[in-house]
Amino acid sequence: DIQMTQSPSSLSASVGDRVTITCRASQGISSYLAWFQQRPGKAPKSLIYAASSLHSGVPSRFSGSRSGTDFTLVISSLQPEDFATYYCQQYNSYPLTFGGGTKVEIK
Amino acid sequence: EVQLVESGGGLVQPGGSLRLSCAASGFSFSDFAMTWVRQAPGKGLEWVSSIVGISAGGSTYYADSVKGRFTISRDNSKNMLSLQMDSLRADDTAIYYCAKGDFLLDFWGQGTLVSVSS
Repeated sequence: DIQMTQSPSSLSASVGDRVTITCRASQGISSYLAWFQQRPGKAPKSLIYAASSLHSGVPSRFSGSRSGTDFTLVISSLQPEDFATYYCQQYNSYPLTFGGGTKVEIK
Repeated sequence: EVQLVESGGGLVQPGGSLRLSCAASGFSFSDFAMTWVRQAPGKGLEWVSSIVGISAGGSTYYADSVKGRFTISRDNSKNMLSLQMDSLRADDTAIYYCAKGDFLLDFWGQGTLVSVSS
């Protein structure tokens, strides 16, 4: 199985801050990487697919990138509605696997 | 607008069975793969099972943790996805989400809670 290691597990930030979350795959997954946002008590929402493509309706302050087996989600200017938990997910092969999540909290 | 509405969750004793359903609308259901993902209380996301669309032969895939106990199926005439869960264990306690897609999960339902406890 492909392991997805996400870091940090949590972070505190202020509105307007730039936030970076990373995800490392245990083996090559090409660009078959998605990012999800989950607000408390809500279902996950798709943000990014193919490592860097924004899902329809997602604000442009979200961006994704890939370097080998390392993937990055950046929120360029954190907004109040962005405080949530973020997950990466590889879809290169079954079983689909998720990172452990990054909880973004208000500083 | 894509909508996915799960139902069928509840409290069940260890060793019992439960059948979850997911009613889909807003897209051509039979053309798309569908997936179940679960989330234990306070934990992360875990893929459970996927079923591909008609054109891909309707193949099914399972996580090792549920293989042989859970069965995914679909009724394309009713736009309905199901998950039959047998031999339930305490560690199956989770919110179960259905999602559109097999690899790329672009829309998710709100989930249904399954609690396995005596």
